[in-house]
Amino acid sequence: AQSVTQLDSQVPVFEEAPVELRCNYSSSVSVYLFWYVQYPNQGLQLLLKYLSGSTLVESINGFEAEFNKSQTSFHLRKPSVHISDTAEYFCAVSGVGAGNMLTFGGGTRLMVKP
Amino acid sequence: NAGVTQTPKFQVLKTGQSMTLQCAQDMNHNSMYWYRQDPGMGLRLIYYSASEGTTDKGEVPNGYNVSRLNKREFSLRLESAAPSQTSVYFCASLRPGSHYGYTFGSGTRLTVV
Repeated sequence: AQSVTQLDSQVPVFEEAPVELRCNYSSSVSVYLFWYVQYPNQGLQLLLKYLSGSTLVESINGFEAEFNKSQTSFHLRKPSVHISDTAEYFCAVSGVGAGNMLTFGGGTRLMVKP
Repeated sequence: NAGVTQTPKFQVLKTGQSMTLQCAQDMNHNSMYWYRQDPGMGLRLIYYSASEGTTDKGEVPNGYNVSRLNKREFSLRLESAAPSQTSVYFCASLRPGSHYGYTFGSGTRLTVV
């Protein structure tokens, strides 16, 4: 079984500042890792994913995440946030070979202030 | 627009009432899922259907039943609603071979009083 811990429930940040949303996981098998974003009153959308290969993965809107196997982490970063990045962000994990079952973290609410 | 459609968007039930949450997708996806979202707990899987005609329990199935009516539709039923089932419910579907590219509906906000 897998579990995911998102260390911060809320992260307030000013516009154009950098941000890091932290995610740690536990698993007895190899994993796939994901970040999903949920804008107000909407469903979740896939932001980026790590399946294999390069440990640094990027999204089309400037976010990046790095898979760190030794620290069992998959932190999400953005060097300069915009008001439009205000949303809730969920880290998720699936065990390799576990079908398509995702285990989600509790979520981090990113609040970008002008 | 193509995607996952959930109805209703909002619902208030009294304890003990029953209701069915509807979900339909028009993307010809095989797999469909029901999640509940509670503050600080992320999304937890209630039931899933890997293909038409099959359903399986997820992490929190107690108090729920599901029906995969056809490839498009996957409904979630609460037979006797309880306040602990107050939550936001999301349906999702998955395209084969998409490497976890779930498509989520916009959710049903359910309150049980």
